[in-house]
Amino acid sequence: GENVEQHPSTLSVQEGDSAVIKCTYSDSASNYFPWYKQELGKGPQLIIDIRSNVGEKKDQRIAVTLNKTAKHFSLHITETQPEDSAVYFCAASIDTDKLIFGTGTRLQVFP
Amino acid sequence: KAGVTQTPRYLIKTRGQQVTLSCSPISGHRSVSWYQQTPGQGLQFLFEYFSETQRNKGNFPGRFSGRQFSNSRSEMNVSTLELGDSALYLCASSLAGTSYNEQFFGPGTRLTVL
Repeated sequence: GENVEQHPSTLSVQEGDSAVIKCTYSDSASNYFPWYKQELGKGPQLIIDIRSNVGEKKDQRIAVTLNKTAKHFSLHITETQPEDSAVYFCAASIDTDKLIFGTGTRLQVFP
Repeated sequence: KAGVTQTPRYLIKTRGQQVTLSCSPISGHRSVSWYQQTPGQGLQFLFEYFSETQRNKGNFPGRFSGRQFSNSRSEMNVSTLELGDSALYLCASSLAGTSYNEQFFGPGTRLTVL
């Protein structure tokens, strides 16, 4: 079955630095790759997504890149702020609403 | 516009009992998916409903079931509860049933099985 690997599991950065989280998917038919942010006591919140016909997408301080050949996609957060501290999940799906999630990255941004 | 709502938010049950969780999607959304989140297994897909029909199913035993009503509200049921069923159960809704759509998650129901 489809599998999504996510690294690192924890990431600590100084406020203002950049953070990068990487994911690898197994099924080459995957065509939708969302990223979710989950804060304590809340459900995951969609922060950005990318479709397989696009290589990069940016939304203010957040960007996602996709390498279909290598089956890699990454989340880039620039100018990190303490409120970016949360658990981030990548996910992949194939033409359906069934999302296969990565194992999560706990990001801590220190002031 | 109101987000996805889930009730109850917290639930405590004992082994062998059954439980029903409820999810109300965002107005206009027709697809509802359910996920189980545990520290050990992460976020795992349970099933997805669209227009009152189960369209996708994950790898969970038959004790886990669900349904969707004509107003798109959905319920999931777990029978004969086991300790390992303790988890955060998340519901997500999306606009339509064609291809991939943005999914919006509710706050979840925290189930504890004693």
